[in-house]
Amino acid sequence: DGGITQSPKYLFRKEGQNVTLSCEQNLNHDAMYWYRQDPGQGLRLIYYSQIVNDFQKGDIAEGYSVSREKKESFPLTVTSAQKNPTAFYLCASSTQGINEKLFFGSGTQLSVL
Amino acid sequence: QKEVEQNSGPLSVPEGAIASLNCTYSDRVSQSFFWYRQYSGKSPELIMSIYSNGDKEDGRFTAQLNKASQYVSLLIRDSQPSDSATYLCAVDRRGSNYKLTFGKGTLLTVNP
Repeated sequence: DGGITQSPKYLFRKEGQNVTLSCEQNLNHDAMYWYRQDPGQGLRLIYYSQIVNDFQKGDIAEGYSVSREKKESFPLTVTSAQKNPTAFYLCASSTQGINEKLFFGSGTQLSVL
Repeated sequence: QKEVEQNSGPLSVPEGAIASLNCTYSDRVSQSFFWYRQYSGKSPELIMSIYSNGDKEDGRFTAQLNKASQYVSLLIRDSQPSDSATYLCAVDRRGSNYKLTFGKGTLLTVNP
């Protein structure tokens, strides 16, 4: 089945630690996105990539980094500079174009120990 | 002014009733509008998209768009307890490479 796979489902970060969230898609979509969702809040865009080896900052990129070395993969690293990382992280993909229907992975819940 | 605004709810309706969810947006040139359903602890799933003024129906769901009033709504007919979820409105941002802006969502509870 085609889809977006995020792992792990739950992740715990220690003080000063960098952690990486995985996102893989087999939908052959060009564009991939990372969103952060806090309780009772909408989705906020962290980073997005429209093509391999290229990505742009979203609205809340500080403390995060990404790479896009393969079309299928768009990992997100939450660095120690992100002081409030506890949130639900969602990876999404879409075909290129004006009408951006996003398809989401199942999400990763990140918590701080 | 916030870019996409939704009443956070909770909106409570009895089973079988019509649930009406509303969304207003600030970017006058937005062209694409989406409704996503999100169950607690799960990821959002697309249930409706609409691009032209008027109504678009899909089963029990009807999306309504009024670009002049910068208003988009979602009607759910014959509401079922399984419709209980948070509904997110998303609007494209023409001035920002078409990225979507999401509202905070409206929590809908359908009571048996």
